[in-house]
Amino acid sequence: DTGVSQDPRHKITKRGQNVTFRCDPISEHNRLYWYRQTLGQGPEFLTYFQNEAQLEKSRLLSDRFSAERPKGSFSTLEIQRTEQGDSAMYLCASSPRVVSGELFFGEGSRLTVL
Amino acid sequence: AQRVTQPEKLLSVFKGAPVELKCNYSYSGSPELFWYVQYSRQRLQLLLRHISRESIKGFTADLNKGETSFHLKKPFAQEEDSAMYYCALTRGAQKLVFGQGTRLTINP
Repeated sequence: DTGVSQDPRHKITKRGQNVTFRCDPISEHNRLYWYRQTLGQGPEFLTYFQNEAQLEKSRLLSDRFSAERPKGSFSTLEIQRTEQGDSAMYLCASSPRVVSGELFFGEGSRLTVL
Repeated sequence: AQRVTQPEKLLSVFKGAPVELKCNYSYSGSPELFWYVQYSRQRLQLLLRHISRESIKGFTADLNKGETSFHLKKPFAQEEDSAMYYCALTRGAQKLVFGQGTRLTINP
């Protein structure tokens, strides 16, 4: 297992288009998190799953954002009708439930909206 | 509301000098505090957690509940310590809330 993997690593799109990011967590981890990071800021929480259940979603998250983890393994984050303000690094992380606060991060998917 | 504040965006010290990265938090209960580190071209990774009371790579951090602080310290900085450092908190294995980060540069 090579750790958390994210795809694509880079995505350039035009405003108004939809984009989807995929995250494959470490296989035995049942928690999966999505964060967004912009330049000069720390990671900002978006949502997290325990197995296939989405337990929390940030109030800052517009309804253009949706995340799924249908079988409790990989997850997808979709952004509809992208805006320039969506340009950011989207980070995925996973953790074993019993260990609080220890997240294993992927390398991130960088989104640029033109 | 949970909040983590790292007052210094940039910190530069000379090799061999002591390092202290500041972190203050606001939380109504008893949080769990962490330091994460991101080296150049690497993933964000856990450095240490307050509950373990451990020293990792020479770094220690003490939770001061009275001052709501969790400063990261190292007595003698090394060049390989140059990185982005993020303080973070959680409670009860829920989401992790991060500070804005401090970029530490160790000058030779």
